[in-house]
Parts: sequence; C-alpha cells; structure tokens
Amino acid sequence: AQSVSQHNHHVILSEAASLELGCNYSYGGTVNLFWYVQYPGQHLQLLLKYFSGDPLVKGIKGFEAEFIKSKFSFNLRKPSVQWSDTAEYFCAVIPNNAGNMLTFGGGTRLMVKP
Amino acid sequence: DAGVIQSPRHEVTEMGQEVTLRCKLISGHNSLFWYRQTMMRGLELLIYFNNNVPIDDSGMPEDRFSAKMPNASFSTLKIQPSEPRDSAVYFCASSRGQGAWNTEAFFGQGTRLTVV
Repeated sequence: AQSVSQHNHHVILSEAASLELGCNYSYGGTVNLFWYVQYPGQHLQLLLKYFSGDPLVKGIKGFEAEFIKSKFSFNLRKPSVQWSDTAEYFCAVIPNNAGNMLTFGGGTRLMVKP
Repeated sequence: DAGVIQSPRHEVTEMGQEVTLRCKLISGHNSLFWYRQTMMRGLELLIYFNNNVPIDDSGMPEDRFSAKMPNASFSTLKIQPSEPRDSAVYFCASSRGQGAWNTEAFFGQGTRLTVV
C-alpha cells in the first residue's frame, strides 16, 4: 500500500542539539511534500512545503527539509533545537494522481530538554 | 480571515447518543478534509470532499459515521450511535483547488470528543 513513513516515533534531545527527522513515502510520480507541527494541545500548523524547484526548502522557526527524489525522502532538519520546539511533527504527502489527498505519516514526538 | 472554524471545541456525550461535529471552511477554499487523531492510531484521514462532492471516504470507520457538505463553506461529521472507541480529536482542514495540490491545507482547532 502507498504510504508515508516516519521512522522515529519519539525523539529526545537537549537544547542546542541538531535535529533530523526522517520521512519516506512510497508514491511514484510527482508529489507535493509538507511538514506540519502540532504543539501540545494545539492544531496542526504548516512548517514548510515543497512543490517544485530547489529541493532544499526553508521553513519557519529555522527548520528546513531536503527532498531527495531518488530516495523518496523529505527529511526535516534544524541545526539547534530549543525547548519551545517540543511538539509532534508530521510529514505529509500529496501524490499528483486522482484525488490529490493529503496523507500524513504517523508523526514524531520531539521532546527538547532544557 | 478567521481560518477554519470547528465547533464545538469539546464534546462529552454518553454512549449511544448522536454527535455532530461542525466545520466552516476558509472563504474561497473548495476542498475539505476530516481527520481523526488518537494516541494509538495517530492522524487518520476519514473523508475528503472537493467542490462539495465526497472524493474518498475509504477512511470512514463504519456506517455509524457520515459526513456532508450542505454548501460550499460548511461541513458536518455525524456519529450515530456514538461509542467510547470514537473518543478522539477530530480535525477539519480546508484548501484551495483540487485537493490540496500546489497549495496547503489549513487546519481547524479540532473537536475533542469523549464518549463515556
């Protein structure tokens, strides 16, 4: 079945550590890619998105993600995390086929220790 | 724009009762997604509408769940009869265009449903 996979379910880091969260998808063809963040008790908010062009995408709050088509990956990175980055992070994909549904990965819970 | 508006924010109901969740899309958006979020299953897509037409409802758990778009800016998700395992946070999201292609989906604040 076509899917979106986030390999790390829980990540614990200390402040100032670097972050990389993995995301892989199994859809062929053209895709739109997203990372959303959900802070505790809140709704999902868009961090960054990739539609086309430069595969290195910069988002809000110092986050970036790199689309590697050959690896079907769209990993999220941040050089130095802060306590306020504690949240759940969701990778999402829209394949350019019939339907254009937004499908999410299972999420990664990040805890940043002060 | 006020964003995607969901109501109620919290709902506590007894098993067997009918529950209706409501969602108002962002003006100008024509695609609507209903998601359910639980600790065990994460974020699940229940149903997706485009231009008021259900495009994919394969995620709807069972016949107790139904969703409608009576007009271009409003949707309801109904559970009848409700069961304790339906307890979850239900999110509505909207976007422009066909699905959310080359655009982004905006999420509402969610409805936290507790069925006792």
